[in-house]
Amino acid sequence: DTEVTQTPKHLVMGMTNKKSLKCEQHMGHRAMYWYKQKAKKPPELMFVYSYEKLSINESVPSRFSPECPNSSLLNLHLHALQPEDSALYLCASSQVGTGYEKLFFGSGTQLSVL
Amino acid sequence: QKEVEQDPGPLSVPEGAIVSLNCTYSNSAFQYFMWYRQYSRKGPELLMYTYSSGNKEDGRFTAQVDKSSKYISLFIRDSQPSDSATYLCAMSADTGRRALTFGSGTRLQVQP
Repeated sequence: DTEVTQTPKHLVMGMTNKKSLKCEQHMGHRAMYWYKQKAKKPPELMFVYSYEKLSINESVPSRFSPECPNSSLLNLHLHALQPEDSALYLCASSQVGTGYEKLFFGSGTQLSVL
Repeated sequence: QKEVEQDPGPLSVPEGAIVSLNCTYSNSAFQYFMWYRQYSRKGPELLMYTYSSGNKEDGRFTAQVDKSSKYISLFIRDSQPSDSATYLCAMSADTGRRALTFGSGTRLQVQP
């Protein structure tokens, strides 16, 4: 199984809502990532988890809260988002050591904030 | 100046053409070089991976890295309409910070 599964595929939320994005992989990867991608732009790194511990936070606003409950799951909790947060949110996984560059991406969650 | 520069395109070619996609970079510490393909409304997919300088071939795809010129290329032979996608170059250095630096992506359209 070389798949990274993200749910939901689409999400529309108001600025006062709380929602969560979910990501799952069963490749035994111990590094998991959240990226944000705006239209016609490259993915921007948000968070990296290594062995279920947060290792990189790219100065992301606190309205985005990541969580890694176990080695297969990654969540991104959303609260009080702004319209400019509308984007494609991508989850990825990789090995931790050699091969970390080989990211496996999910299909993403297309988020619209109204 | 961006660390990685990539022409956004779009690049439009007829079916069967040879396609050349390129990236330049400024960070001499980069040692790992990747090409990702991204179809519309999908996540990127790793296409080619190269460590340090040299060439790598996989089917119709050839990746080249010239570290002396800080220049990488992806060649696609016998291009097909199914190759129409955005191609992102990505790079990383063998340092403690293990994260990729992406180019802005080149949009390729292969006309049947």
